[in-house]
Amino acid sequence: ENQVEHSPHFLGPQQGDVASMSCTYSVSRFNNLQWYRQNTGMGPKHLLSMYSAGYEKQKGRLNATLLKNGSSLYITAVQPEDSATYFCAVDGSGNTGKLIFGQGTTLQVKP
Amino acid sequence: SQTIHQWPATLVQPVGSPLSLECTVEGTSNPNLYWYRQAAGRGLQLLFYSVGIGQISSEVPQNLSASRPQDRQFILSSKKLLLSDSGFYLCACRDRESGGGEQYFGPGTRLTVT
Repeated sequence: ENQVEHSPHFLGPQQGDVASMSCTYSVSRFNNLQWYRQNTGMGPKHLLSMYSAGYEKQKGRLNATLLKNGSSLYITAVQPEDSATYFCAVDGSGNTGKLIFGQGTTLQVKP
Repeated sequence: SQTIHQWPATLVQPVGSPLSLECTVEGTSNPNLYWYRQAAGRGLQLLFYSVGIGQISSEVPQNLSASRPQDRQFILSSKKLLLSDSGFYLCACRDRESGGGEQYFGPGTRLTVT
């Protein structure tokens, strides 16, 4: 069965710290891995996509790495406005574009 | 860029009543469209997807159905709601020309079945 697991489920760093989260996946086919951010009561928003093991991407204070069967996401100097749930999603489809989402990591930054 | 509209934003319905949620997309043509459901504190469960008008694929057996009467319109329906249908319903689209395959999400509909 295709699945994505997140670790940890909850993070509560102090403002200015580095937040570190990861996901692992087990899928029959892999096209790319995507990270999304969801604020409470809103739809998720795409952050970045990665395509093969060893791939690294930086976007502002976000740093992501694609590993074999997983990914790590780091947010440096976290701010209260970074508080949200972060999801990893794997695209293992053909032209359907179906994504397999994990349950997410909830980040709550202490001011 | 794509904009996804969903309505209503919030809905409270009694068990056994019908349901119709609508999603429309702007800013793209011939997109792939998706309906997800999210339980409180959980991830997104894909319910239906569509690669074209009238083409619907179901991911999870349930009492829900979906239709795509126009290229940029996606409708989620039920004839009789169950308590277990409560949740946050999200519509998403994917531009087929996008190399990254990212999905754009609407603001969601919060459904409470009482």
